[in-house]
Amino acid sequence: AQSVTQLGSHVSVSEGALVLLRCNYSSSVPPYLFWYVQYPNQGLQLLLKYTTGATLVKGINGFEAEFKKSETSFHLTKPSAHMSDAAEYFCAVSGPSSASKIIFGSGTRLSIRP
Amino acid sequence: GAVVSQHPSRVICKSGTSVKIECRSLDFQATTMFWYRQFPKQSLMLMATSNEGSKATYEQGVEKDKFLINHASLTLSTLTVTSAHPEDSSFYICSAGLGMAGGYTFGSGTRLTVV
Repeated sequence: AQSVTQLGSHVSVSEGALVLLRCNYSSSVPPYLFWYVQYPNQGLQLLLKYTTGATLVKGINGFEAEFKKSETSFHLTKPSAHMSDAAEYFCAVSGPSSASKIIFGSGTRLSIRP
Repeated sequence: GAVVSQHPSRVICKSGTSVKIECRSLDFQATTMFWYRQFPKQSLMLMATSNEGSKATYEQGVEKDKFLINHASLTLSTLTVTSAHPEDSSFYICSAGLGMAGGYTFGSGTRLTVV
């Protein structure tokens, strides 16, 4: 069984500040981990993913995440927030097959203060 | 890159009617597609897994007779909401797997409003 926990339903940071969105997972098989972003009334856009190999993953728009197996975490960071980063962010976990279900966390709404 | 096209983006229907939502993979073949439902300010809840040429697998609590899923080809899956009621109003999103290590790609979603 797999599950994802996102700590903090709402995170607010100032423009230019560090963004940290937390994600912890549970998986009985080696996990594939994802971060998606969703803007209002739109589908999901992949920010980055971890499958195997390097544990520090770089994604689009300056985001990156580090897979820490010992902590079962996959936190998302960005060194300097931009106003356009305001959106809903979802962490997700799946198994290694394209037929595997992808399970989403509850989401974190990121707000950026001017 | 792999693109999933979902139509319509918005639909308003009368209570008791049926609505069909289409999800097409444009430049790849999708053996497996997934259908999600999202309530306002909530996460995506998996409704069913759609496999080409076979019956869909529904998650617990999802009425298979109400949410009909058809995956007749490798590029098209449809979700039909039958006898729609106002409580079926929601945002529906489809997704397709991209193979080993490929992740998933999502449609742009359909906002269904039942009046």
